Amino acid sequence: EDQVTQSPEALRLQEGESSSLNCSYTVSGLRGLFWYRQDPGKGPEFLFTLYSAGEEKEKERLKATLTKKESFLHITAPKPEDSATYLCAVANQAGTALIFGKGTTLSVSS
Amino acid sequence: GAVVSQHPSWVICKSGTSVKIECRSLDFQATTMFWYRQFPKQSLMLMATSNEGSKATYEQGVEKDKFLINHASLTLSTLTVTSAHPEDSSFYICSARVLANTGELFFGEGSRLTVL
Repeated sequence: EDQVTQSPEALRLQEGESSSLNCSYTVSGLRGLFWYRQDPGKGPEFLFTLYSAGEEKEKERLKATLTKKESFLHITAPKPEDSATYLCAVANQAGTALIFGKGTTLSVSS
Repeated sequence: GAVVSQHPSWVICKSGTSVKIECRSLDFQATTMFWYRQFPKQSLMLMATSNEGSKATYEQGVEKDKFLINHASLTLSTLTVTSAHPEDSSFYICSARVLANTGELFFGEGSRLTVL
């Protein structure tokens, strides 16, 4: 069964304190791993897609990496506006829909 | 990125009534849209896949007669919660893919349903 597990469930950082979020997955044939950001009461906002182990993508203070079993979302020198829930998802076996983890809620204080 | 719009963003209704939520792709055509449901501090759960011009495909455990989905055009899909009950209260989010099989889904703003 395809599964996505994210850790930690919640993470509190001081502004400028870099850290990483983890996404472990089990899927029969990876068809894409996706990172989204979700603010309270809003729909998820697309961040990155990764397709193969070793791939990396960056956007401002965020960098996503992928191995055969997990993905990391690295946050460098975070700011309070980076506070949100970060969701990880993988495409299902048919490649038609996404299976989401429960997310990591990040809080960055100044 | 592509824009997906949902309406209403929140709705309160009495138990037993029906509620319709609209999902529109504003700057692209979407032959397939997806409806998700999210409970507080929980993951997004796929409810159904909406296909333009054909019947929706529902995930296991989702009642077809309670959650009616219509995808009448390439830019509009609707979800109707029929005879709503308090346990149907949730955050409903639609999404669409710009290009087939690229995987990237773009999400609407979500609709918060509260059934009294």
